[in-house]
Amino acid sequence: DTEVTQTPKHLVMGMTNKKSLKCEQHMGHRAMYWYKQKAKKPPELMFVYSYEKLSINESVPSRFSPECPNSSLLNLHLHALQPEDSALYLCASSQAWLSTDTQYFGPGTRLTVL
Amino acid sequence: DAKTTQPNSMESNEEEPVHLPCNHSTISGTDYIHWYRQLPSQGPEYVIHGLTSNVNNRMASLAIAEDRKSSTLILHRATLRDAAVYYCTLKKSSGDKLTFGTGTRLAVRP
Repeated sequence: DTEVTQTPKHLVMGMTNKKSLKCEQHMGHRAMYWYKQKAKKPPELMFVYSYEKLSINESVPSRFSPECPNSSLLNLHLHALQPEDSALYLCASSQAWLSTDTQYFGPGTRLTVL
Repeated sequence: DAKTTQPNSMESNEEEPVHLPCNHSTISGTDYIHWYRQLPSQGPEYVIHGLTSNVNNRMASLAIAEDRKSSTLILHRATLRDAAVYYCTLKKSSGDKLTFGTGTRLAVRP
């Protein structure tokens, strides 16, 4: 099973809402990632977890709060978002955080902030 | 961070080979060259990677210049399902992030 699943597929939220994005993999991978992708742009890294510890935070605003409850799950908690945060949010995983490791991406959650 | 440059778009005819170029003139000795592609409405998927030598797998071939300042992804027989955005990326040693370039949008004509 080389699948990364993400829920929900689509999410519409107001600026005062609190919501969460979920990501799951059962490949035994120990590195997990959140990316943000705006329309017609490449994915941009937001966070990296390695062995369930936050290893990289790419200066992401605190209204995005990642969480890695265990080695298979990755959450992204959203609060007080802005309309410019509307984007496709991609989760990925890899065996470890090494230069040769392939990253496996989920299909993404398309987020719209009203 | 090392950067990559790719043409914005390319076109190919179905069942013909496609050569997708990538320049990475500031590549360092420890950078691996990774290629990913993103089909419409999907997340990126891994295609191939290499360090110095040319590489082949079931999806594609990767030709790396001797000075490593450029590389070419080769799809041997393009199909309509190969229409996607192809990203050439560099990744350093352990603990470094994957930084996507702007990518090449490949259109395949039947």
